[in-house]
Amino acid sequence: GAGVSQSPRYKVAKRGQDVALRCDPISGHVSLFWYQQALGQGPEFLTYFQNEAQLDKSGLPSDRFFAERPEGSVSTLKIQRTQQEDSAVYLCASSSPQRGGTDTQYFGPGTRLTVL
Amino acid sequence: QKEVEQNSGPLSVPEGAIASLNCTYSDRGSQSFFWYRQYSGKSPELIMSIYSNGDKEDGRFTAQLNKASQYVSLLIRDSQPSDSATYLCAVKSNSGYALNFGKGTSLLVTP
Repeated sequence: GAGVSQSPRYKVAKRGQDVALRCDPISGHVSLFWYQQALGQGPEFLTYFQNEAQLDKSGLPSDRFFAERPEGSVSTLKIQRTQQEDSAVYLCASSSPQRGGTDTQYFGPGTRLTVL
Repeated sequence: QKEVEQNSGPLSVPEGAIASLNCTYSDRGSQSFFWYRQYSGKSPELIMSIYSNGDKEDGRFTAQLNKASQYVSLLIRDSQPSDSATYLCAVKSNSGYALNFGKGTSLLVTP
């Protein structure tokens, strides 16, 4: 595909439900990132994969959040026992690593999660 | 906490004027700097990247970087109503992988 794709685009969950959000990165992109964007805020980093390896998960807000990328391409962000404070747009980005950290991250359209 | 600060605005400029958007950052180890544009309800879209001190021009956009002052800015010349959006400043350190974003500046270009 031409860009990063995410599904579903919108998700409504009842408090306590588990949700799974999918990201399809740009073909060939080694690096994959998940960000959370609350209303009126900038995106905040959640986790980073290089191929299938999760190299940084320091931004995951709690142990209810789990991400995987088992084959180094598609990634899934799972949120267990959703809470109202989890309501946000979840953005996935991918990039191809460059020397000196000059790689550009390209964002998908995001999944808007609303927890009732 | 590595911080990226932006004035949230809204910044209102008339059509045809120059819009000036500013950003400061706290991490002196930062090496890569990006400006993203985000329309309401849409995902961030890269406008400019800059890595060295000085100016970098691309069409109507100029990014300016001053690492000594820990300051990066974006100038938009001949502003158009279609430029109305939130502009996000993002900073990446040499030691990390992730982008650290500011809260964004809302720009309104009035006809």
